[in-house]
Amino acid sequence: NAGVTQTPKFQVLKTGQSMTLQCAQDMNHNSMYWYRQDPGMGLRLIYYSASEGTTDKGEVPNGYNVSRLNKREFSLRLESAAPSQTSVYFCASSEDSTSNQPQHFGDGTRLSIL
Amino acid sequence: AQKVTQAQTEISVVEKEDVTLDCVYETRDTTYYLFWYKQPPSGELVFLIRRNSFDEQNEISGRYSWNFQKSTSSFNFTITASQVVDSAVYFCALSEYNFNKFYFGSGTKLNVKP
Repeated sequence: NAGVTQTPKFQVLKTGQSMTLQCAQDMNHNSMYWYRQDPGMGLRLIYYSASEGTTDKGEVPNGYNVSRLNKREFSLRLESAAPSQTSVYFCASSEDSTSNQPQHFGDGTRLSIL
Repeated sequence: AQKVTQAQTEISVVEKEDVTLDCVYETRDTTYYLFWYKQPPSGELVFLIRRNSFDEQNEISGRYSWNFQKSTSSFNFTITASQVVDSAVYFCALSEYNFNKFYFGSGTKLNVKP
């Protein structure tokens, strides 16, 4: 029962480097999400994908790109990392974008940009 | 605009005390969903409850209870007879129906001391 798997769990980058965060779910969920969590700010939605082949911007999409490679995988890319993107990143999935089933979260990726 | 406010940044109680975590939300939608999540020190996000906007019945699950009041746009969470294991950050969240976006509050850190 893996659920939502994120890789890597930790990463340190230098400013300007690029990085792709990987996320995979094995629950056959249609919807997947990427959030960032900063101290005192809760989780903020970066991008989401309601189904394979579709992606939409969330609250804080600037500086990020996403790919819904297939139903299982949803990756988040930082093309040119900036210190302001230092955060904990969570991937989540849910059964259907309209049913609002509870989201299942991965364990997070702790990303530091120097 | 959708917004979730958790005014209590941090609460400390002694074990066996009751504690209530406040959540106030803003939305123009008539159909929406409210959630509570727990984030223990280990960092994962644990789903606790979902409530839709048409169901104002209070819910009790063991030591946990939730009070949903549309008149005051509040969805408060009470832990009865708190335990050290309840120490965590608790997030309230709002989801728009059909928009696939979740809005999280900034979280309340609960410290339960033995």
